[in-house]
Amino acid sequence: DTGVSQDPRHKITKRGQNVTFRCDPISEHNRLYWYRQTLGQGPEFLTYFQNEAQLEKSRLLSDRFSAERPKGSFSTLEIQRTEQGDSAMYLCASSFGTGGDSPLHFGNGTRLTVT
Amino acid sequence: GESVGLHLPTLSVQEGDNSIINCAYSNSASDYFIWYKQESGKGPQFIIDIRSNMDKRQGQRVTVLLNKTVKHLSLQIAATQPGDSAVYFCAENIRGEGNKLVFGAGTILRVKS
Repeated sequence: DTGVSQDPRHKITKRGQNVTFRCDPISEHNRLYWYRQTLGQGPEFLTYFQNEAQLEKSRLLSDRFSAERPKGSFSTLEIQRTEQGDSAMYLCASSFGTGGDSPLHFGNGTRLTVT
Repeated sequence: GESVGLHLPTLSVQEGDNSIINCAYSNSASDYFIWYKQESGKGPQFIIDIRSNMDKRQGQRVTVLLNKTVKHLSLQIAATQPGDSAVYFCAENIRGEGNKLVFGAGTILRVKS
């Protein structure tokens, strides 16, 4: 399978704990995106990378969230001091291109539950 | 599976019929559009895309129509099958607002056998 891979698929954590998710994009894709999706809603943009550079961050991405893509390949999304409102599906996507007209290919997400 | 889209619009069609899913967008600067299909527990799956210099594009069993005058996008699925049951999202790229997709709220498609 050469699609976008996300790990773990599910994460249950207690409020206040830190969590980290990993995304492995399609290998030839230079762009990597993180989105968040809550029940009954469409995915909401969080941030994206072109190669190793983080080019845009949403206002949704509070100071407790940090994303990295150190070598321009896989990426990690860390949430510090989790809150119940962080419970959601975290989706990673990748694409190839330089403009805004390339389709994003999504992984199957990491479902986070904060208790 | 999870219960998705408690308040999403729902389209119910008979197997074999054609389906039309609609999407309205509000930003006249949007220049690229994609339809995604999302099944329970999975990420969105690319179906078809269209650029703003086109008004129609066809794929296998699917057609996307773009009406820029009224800012409307539709997805037509021919001979709908049970495997087409899912939530469908339209997404747009807004020119000048970065290289990201903005998603609509979604429509549930239920195919009755």
